[in-house]
Amino acid sequence: QSVLTQPPSVSAAPGQKVTISCSGSNSNIGNNYVSWYQQLPGTAPKLLIYDNNKRPSGIPDRFSGSKSGTSATLGITGLQTGDEADYYCGTWDSSLSAGVFGGGTKLTVL
Amino acid sequence: VQLVESGGGLVKPGGSLRLSCAASGFTFSTYSMNWVRQAPGKGLEWVSAISSSSNIIYYVDSVRGRFTISRDNAKNSLYLQMDSLRVEDTAVYYCARGAYSYAIDYWGQGTLVTVSS
Repeated sequence: QSVLTQPPSVSAAPGQKVTISCSGSNSNIGNNYVSWYQQLPGTAPKLLIYDNNKRPSGIPDRFSGSKSGTSATLGITGLQTGDEADYYCGTWDSSLSAGVFGGGTKLTVL
Repeated sequence: VQLVESGGGLVKPGGSLRLSCAASGFTFSTYSMNWVRQAPGKGLEWVSAISSSSNIIYYVDSVRGRFTISRDNAKNSLYLQMDSLRVEDTAVYYCARGAYSYAIDYWGQGTLVTVSS
């Protein structure tokens, strides 16, 4: 059971928008920055969002992040079939003194 | 930036294995580094982190006392010594660079560790 809670799956049609939630507590999301990762099938994870809402160079602005209290959200607009992947949120847990990830959300673009 | 893991393989329960990660394309000595694993068909699990100068080290509870993270900045290399291995340690192990605030900005391709009798 993961420290951070994500929905197991989400789906939407091409061109539409989807959001993925990540719920935690004061010891992790509530007091630390959140990052988001995309893992395409058979590949290593890739950083999409860091510091709650910042995009690394090369990540399109279709991807966005936000945080409120002990929850964070990843938004993806203009969905493409190539966005089908597993998405993970991550942060630091100050009580555990450890990094933590959500259980992952599988995105299906119908 | 390139991170290349090696050292994975098949080991019996109770055995040991040492993973290595060769880093290139950046100033290795100025970045914290992490090991993250992924069991077959499962999600990501953070395993351990080490600061740039090795003075700060963290472990997930399930490996503390059995795994040891280390680095050699002169050789641009990260290591994970894994002792007393258990079946549940079976996973792909990723070497990953720490950046920004608690994020990981680059990942290796991973090396598979299988613990089985």
